[in-house]
Amino acid sequence: KQEVTQIPAALSVPEGENLVLNCSFTDSAIYNLQWFRQDPGKGLTSLLLIQSSQREQTSGRLNASLDKSSGRSTLYIAASQPGDSATYLCAVGMDSSYKLIFGSGTRLLVRP
Amino acid sequence: GAGVSQSPSNKVTEKGKDVELRCDPISGHTALYWYRQSLGQGLEFLIYFQGNSAPDKSGLPSDRFSAERTGGSVSTLTIQRTQQEDSAVYLCASSSGWGDTEAFFGQGTRLTVV
Repeated sequence: KQEVTQIPAALSVPEGENLVLNCSFTDSAIYNLQWFRQDPGKGLTSLLLIQSSQREQTSGRLNASLDKSSGRSTLYIAASQPGDSATYLCAVGMDSSYKLIFGSGTRLLVRP
Repeated sequence: GAGVSQSPSNKVTEKGKDVELRCDPISGHTALYWYRQSLGQGLEFLIYFQGNSAPDKSGLPSDRFSAERTGGSVSTLTIQRTQQEDSAVYLCASSSGWGDTEAFFGQGTRLTVV
């Protein structure tokens, strides 16, 4: 059974710092991995999708990497801003299923 | 539409009542998912629709939960005889294909059972 873990559960950093959020999964037979952002009381916003054949994806100040064999992904946020404060969720899509299996998220606070 | 639309955004209901939650996926998306997010918990898969195939209902927590998708577009999640433990945010997502495509989520319906 696939299990997705995100570390740390919460993170507080001063504005301007570069930071890394971690996601690990136990079963490497994945189709893809997707990073989402969730603001309080809101739905999920898709940030980056990495296919299993890819190593990384970039969008603006965000860079997500995938090491399928070791079951790890990282989300790198450069030059963090207070507007980046949110919960970040990673989810894996499995080869054998279309369901997304989510981690429990990392709650990020960027202090002005 | 431009994105996944869910209604209502908030619903308060009395224990024992039935509720219907609606999801309008992105136009042209054949796949539609329902997830549930309870307070402080991760997202829990409920049900999946893909085109005209039989839906995957394996995540529905009890027979009080059901979902339909009419005409391959709009979906309704129905919860009968609501219980307090049903209180959660119900999220709908759609994607353009099978599991290898990006999923887009709606804003969710916050259900409170009192």
